[in-house]
Amino acid sequence: AQSVTQLDSQVPVFEEAPVELRCNYSSSVSVYLFWYVQYPNQGLQLLLKYLSGSTLVKGINGFEAEFNKSQTSFHLRKPSVHISDTAEYFCAVSDPSGGGADGLTFGKGTHLIIQP
Amino acid sequence: KAGVTQTPRYLIKTRGQQVTLSCSPISGHRSVSWYQQTPGQGLQFLFEYFSETQRNKGNFPGRFSGRQFSNSRSEMNVSTLELGDSALYLCASSPDLSGNTIYFGEGSWLTVV
Repeated sequence: AQSVTQLDSQVPVFEEAPVELRCNYSSSVSVYLFWYVQYPNQGLQLLLKYLSGSTLVKGINGFEAEFNKSQTSFHLRKPSVHISDTAEYFCAVSDPSGGGADGLTFGKGTHLIIQP
Repeated sequence: KAGVTQTPRYLIKTRGQQVTLSCSPISGHRSVSWYQQTPGQGLQFLFEYFSETQRNKGNFPGRFSGRQFSNSRSEMNVSTLELGDSALYLCASSPDLSGNTIYFGEGSWLTVV
């Protein structure tokens, strides 16, 4: 079984400061990894994903994430945040061998709060 | 290209009633999956359909069911609603069996009173 741990439920950051949202996963097989963002009263928007290859993945809105197999981590980073980045961020994992049938396993989410 | 469309967006039901939620995937996408989001349990996988076949179901009671039509549109049904079924129900679509491309809709907010 897979599991995802988002180590921080809430991260306050000042505007224009860098931020890192932490995600660790547990799986006995290779995985696909995803970061989604959810703005208030909206669905989930895909920020970026790691499937294979380069461990540094770049996504939308200036976000990037690094896959670390030895530490089973997939931390999300942004060098300079904006007020509009205030949202809930979810890390998710899936099993490639399942062809999507097992769905995504999500972490509990991290609420990113940008302070002016 | 239109995204994943879910209807209705908001609804209120009474305990004991049933509800049907609809999802139209991105054009050309053949896989549809459903998730429940609650403050307490977070995001949980309900079930997944591909070519009208349910391939997997999460740990939910039999009151939760779904189906997929030949045009890939999907519906989920919850019977005998309980207060704890109040949640945001999210539909996601994928183009194929790779499981590496998953897009979500805006969700249907269900309140059970």
